[in-house]
Amino acid sequence: QVQLVESGGGVAQPGRSLRLSCAASGYTFRSYDMHWVRQAPGKGLEWVAKIWFDERQKDYVDSVKGRFTISRDNSKNTLFLQMNSLRADDTAVYYCARYNPGPHAFDIWGQGTMVTVSS
Amino acid sequence: DIQMTQSPSSLSASVGDRVTITCRASQKINNYLNWYQQKPGKAPKLLIYAASSLQSGVPSRFSGSGSGTDFTLIISSLQPEDFATYYCQQSYSIPPYTFGLGTKLEIK
Repeated sequence: QVQLVESGGGVAQPGRSLRLSCAASGYTFRSYDMHWVRQAPGKGLEWVAKIWFDERQKDYVDSVKGRFTISRDNSKNTLFLQMNSLRADDTAVYYCARYNPGPHAFDIWGQGTMVTVSS
Repeated sequence: DIQMTQSPSSLSASVGDRVTITCRASQKINNYLNWYQQKPGKAPKLLIYAASSLQSGVPSRFSGSGSGTDFTLIISSLQPEDFATYYCQQSYSIPPYTFGLGTKLEIK
């Protein structure tokens, strides 16, 4: 079945780095744009970053520009989020999500991985 | 950036009730409006796309309407499994892909 599985979350000190991964299966990964969406504890959903299916374009929410980098390896069906210079307000559950251009919506989501930034 | 405003922020209702949740965009977004359901500790799930199209596998008691700036999610007869938080999201002027703050639907 179509599935996204995130990994790489954990606890990091402010200023340090973490790298999240999202393994896709059950569909043609290289054909779809992919996104990261996060949710701080008790808060709503916030879009974080997007990468085109062919990596030609990447976009970020202003609060992570210059600190986070989205990438993908289409040969391994895997999406990444490199998070540098982490701050306390980056603490959240991070979801990877497939963007389906037909409905213009996030139609498949991973289960999420928790990132806690704390000293 | 387009802002999405949901109302109410929380709602208490009973099984069998008809429930309406609204979402307003800060500028016209045609019908590029999606609705998601999220249960505690779980990932969001796409319910409605393009304002009124039901995602495959979603029960027909869910429906959506609207265009331009004002949109509505209706649950025609609440079931126990519908108690969750609902989010609207616009895909018209992107990035960013903005979400509403959510509507928490609780059991009365």
